[in-house]
Amino acid sequence: AQSVTQLGSHVSVSEGALVLLRCNYSSSVPPYLFWYVQYPNQGLQLLLKYTSAATLVKGINGFEAEFKKSETSFHLTKPSAHMSDAAEYFCAVSHPNTDKLIFGTGTRLQVFP
Amino acid sequence: GAGVSQSPSNKVTEKGKDVELRCDPISGHTALYWYRQSLGQGLEFLIYFQGNSAPDKSGLPSDRFSAERTGGSVSTLTIQRTQQEDSAVYLCASSLGQATFNQPQHFGDGTRLSIL
Repeated sequence: AQSVTQLGSHVSVSEGALVLLRCNYSSSVPPYLFWYVQYPNQGLQLLLKYTSAATLVKGINGFEAEFKKSETSFHLTKPSAHMSDAAEYFCAVSHPNTDKLIFGTGTRLQVFP
Repeated sequence: GAGVSQSPSNKVTEKGKDVELRCDPISGHTALYWYRQSLGQGLEFLIYFQGNSAPDKSGLPSDRFSAERTGGSVSTLTIQRTQQEDSAVYLCASSLGQATFNQPQHFGDGTRLSIL
């Protein structure tokens, strides 16, 4: 069965510091993986997706994620946090044979000046 | 507009009343999804429509919840005899579908439902 686990419901960093949001997946088939961001009172917006073309995926707003099969991980990183990055981040894995996504419980990122 | 549109943006109603939430997907998207997001929780899948196929209702929490998608476009999620635990943000998303497995979902801003 497909599932994702996001370690850490809250992450706090200083502006300019490295952002690391963790996601581990479980999948019975080669997975497609996604990161979405949700700003307050808005829906989810796609940050990036992994579809097996390249293990290092670059997304919007300077974020990137690396697919590591040996670790079953797809952690999200950004070298230097900006105040505008404060939001909730969701990792998701696609369900086999459909477009359904299974979402993690989310990680709330706080950025301090 | 070009995005997924949901209405109303906010709904407050009394316990026991029925509510209808509406979703207008992106034109041309054959797949449509409803999710529930409760405070401090992730996204809970409710129901999935794909083209003319029978909907996947496996996520509906009780028989008080139902959804329709008319003409392959607009969808309504209906909650009958609302309970306080139904209070949440209900998110709709659409995608190109066609079971390509890697198409991103595009989300609306949600309907915030509060049951008094």
